[in-house]
Amino acid sequence: DAKTTQPTSMDCAEGRAANLPCNHSTISGNEYVYWYRQIHSQGPQYIIHGLKNNETNEMASLIITEDRKSSTLILPHATLRDTAVYYCIVRVAYNNNDMRFGAGTRLTVKP
Amino acid sequence: DTEVTQTPKHLVMGMTNKKSLKCEQHMGHRAMYWYKQKAKKPPELMFVYSYEKLSINESVPSRFSPECPNSSLLNLHLHALQPEDSALYLCASSQDRTPIPDEQFFGPGTRLTVL
Repeated sequence: DAKTTQPTSMDCAEGRAANLPCNHSTISGNEYVYWYRQIHSQGPQYIIHGLKNNETNEMASLIITEDRKSSTLILPHATLRDTAVYYCIVRVAYNNNDMRFGAGTRLTVKP
Repeated sequence: DTEVTQTPKHLVMGMTNKKSLKCEQHMGHRAMYWYKQKAKKPPELMFVYSYEKLSINESVPSRFSPECPNSSLLNLHLHALQPEDSALYLCASSQDRTPIPDEQFFGPGTRLTVL
């Protein structure tokens, strides 16, 4: 699976959009980008995934660059409850069960 | 029911004890996972069961022994652990479809302390 690089930490003001970047410059054509988050003392939670098109769900939006070498997770109106570690993970198709977490980005939403 | 439950929430054990961690899901998922997470580190994959068969074992020491009695249950048997095995143990499940990798649903974890 392609390796990902994320900033170690980021801050965001409550009510503003949080934009979390992820670099995956060695991604292959059959690899998906997944985002999970882990709120303190809880299990990780799935947020969103995409292959090459931008995706949106009730939690977030995922913007993938045209060359697929990077992506951005957008939380449109961050709240204090969005404070968590956010993991960007690249996963290969047909290899369902192998998911490896990188170091992630610690997002702190401030009042 | 979209929940993965894990018991116990906390466990303290000595190095000579034998204990088990339990994980359960009723979502009809056919893949189940054990992860280990040390403080301030990301989760690390330990074992994967697919259709009740062990499909991934990440070279985990034999003092950790997984068991999948049926598609809803996953156990992790612990024996002769070391203090460095103290960690949060996370269980997850997924549908096990192809080709798009599955969303994994995680339990809250068992916090294990080995004295």
